[in-house]
Amino acid sequence: QVTLRESGPALVKPTQTLTLTCTFSGFSLNTRGMCVSWIRQPPGKALEWLAHIDWDDNKYYSTSLKTRLTISKDTSKNQVVLTMTNMDPVDTATYYCARIQTLRWYEFDSWGQGILVTVSS
Amino acid sequence: QSALTQPRSVSGSPGQSVTISCTGTSSDVGGYYFVSWYQQHPGKAPKLMIYDVNKRPSGVPDRFSGSKSGNTASLTISGLQAEDEADYYCCSYAGSYTVVFGGGTKLTVL
Repeated sequence: QVTLRESGPALVKPTQTLTLTCTFSGFSLNTRGMCVSWIRQPPGKALEWLAHIDWDDNKYYSTSLKTRLTISKDTSKNQVVLTMTNMDPVDTATYYCARIQTLRWYEFDSWGQGILVTVSS
Repeated sequence: QSALTQPRSVSGSPGQSVTISCTGTSSDVGGYYFVSWYQQHPGKAPKLMIYDVNKRPSGVPDRFSGSKSGNTASLTISGLQAEDEADYYCCSYAGSYTVVFGGGTKLTVL
């Protein structure tokens, strides 16, 4: 059974750096073709893709946010970490991690429950 | 990477069919056969319903079907049921390992 779970702070202040961790089970990021992505959703708004990391440690970022994002993995802990710098109230959103198999970048077949992050002073 | 265009809302009565459109460009929807659709109930994570334009993952009812013509992909739900009421999002590969989502469509079952 595949599971993913996001963890991190529920509240961050403007200009701070957000660090989120996705802890997963039921698959390995050492498996060829396996990937984990981050996607966010502001309250009442649409989904927005943020970043992917694949089994070979290749990293891909949203063009509009790439200067603020860093994605990394720790395969020994089955974790993927996303950092986002210079947080702003418009970054308030539920942040999801999701799995991709066989490099099918648009096919998120398993999702975490999401974590709501509020940016406020 | 501009969001794909979806109608904000659609509605239908139980048993009817509804179609949700998803319009992009030749750089995303029109350029690849890599479109997926997600169902999201309030307060829940999205669920994959369609991939590769028209394929259904195991467990998704065959009432859900997908298609594509040019720069527009479509999701059709036939035999509407109360539990189909949710938000639906399309997603397309947009080249260079990136993806783009649609703005979302709220489906109301009357």
